[in-house]
Amino acid sequence: AQTVTQSQPEMSVQEAETVTLSCTYDTSESDYYLFWYKQPPSRQMILVIRQEAYKQQNATENRFSVNFQKAAKSFSLKISDSQLGDAAMYFCAYRSGLPYSGAGSYQLTFGKGTKLSVIP
Amino acid sequence: EAQVTQNPRYLITVTGKKLTVTCSQNMNHEYMSWYRQDPGLGLRQIYYSMNVEVTDKGDVPEGYKVSRKEKRNFPLILESPSPNQTSLYFCASGIGGGRSEQYFGPGTRLTVT
Repeated sequence: AQTVTQSQPEMSVQEAETVTLSCTYDTSESDYYLFWYKQPPSRQMILVIRQEAYKQQNATENRFSVNFQKAAKSFSLKISDSQLGDAAMYFCAYRSGLPYSGAGSYQLTFGKGTKLSVIP
Repeated sequence: EAQVTQNPRYLITVTGKKLTVTCSQNMNHEYMSWYRQDPGLGLRQIYYSMNVEVTDKGDVPEGYKVSRKEKRNFPLILESPSPNQTSLYFCASGIGGGRSEQYFGPGTRLTVT
């Protein structure tokens, strides 16, 4: 079974600074997807960024980028120019790329989350 | 607007009183799923459905039932709720296959006393 580990339960960053959230995962599969979801106080789960394992290029979405190290099974999220609205819980998630075979291969496996605070 | 809706958003109930949390999506997604979120545990999958009349257990299915009679709806049923089912519940939907995104509903906060 796949596991996702977020080793930083809480982090803080000064407004306008850069912060990196860590995520490692364990899998024996070669085809998979990785995601970062943001959960603000409203509790809504918002997709921030995704990465396909077969793509070597790191994904970016505006101020959010990832550092995907497939061999090391590491998938960190970098937030640049942090804003007060970035304060939230961030979850790293894994999904197998295998076609559905009755084994729940579309299941998202989540880490336990990192709570990010942004200091004005 | 493309969205996943859940009702109710908040529910307080007593042990043993059957309840249903509804989930509906308007994106014609084949895949739908229920997760529960508990402090320190992240989100864990309860049940999922690949299409109408096709459902299967996730990691924590005990005490829950689901049905998928229509493509857009995927209700979560608690036949006899217990306090350990107090949690935040999310419904999610997605196209599946090579399209990997899953879209989440706003969540339902359930308290069982």
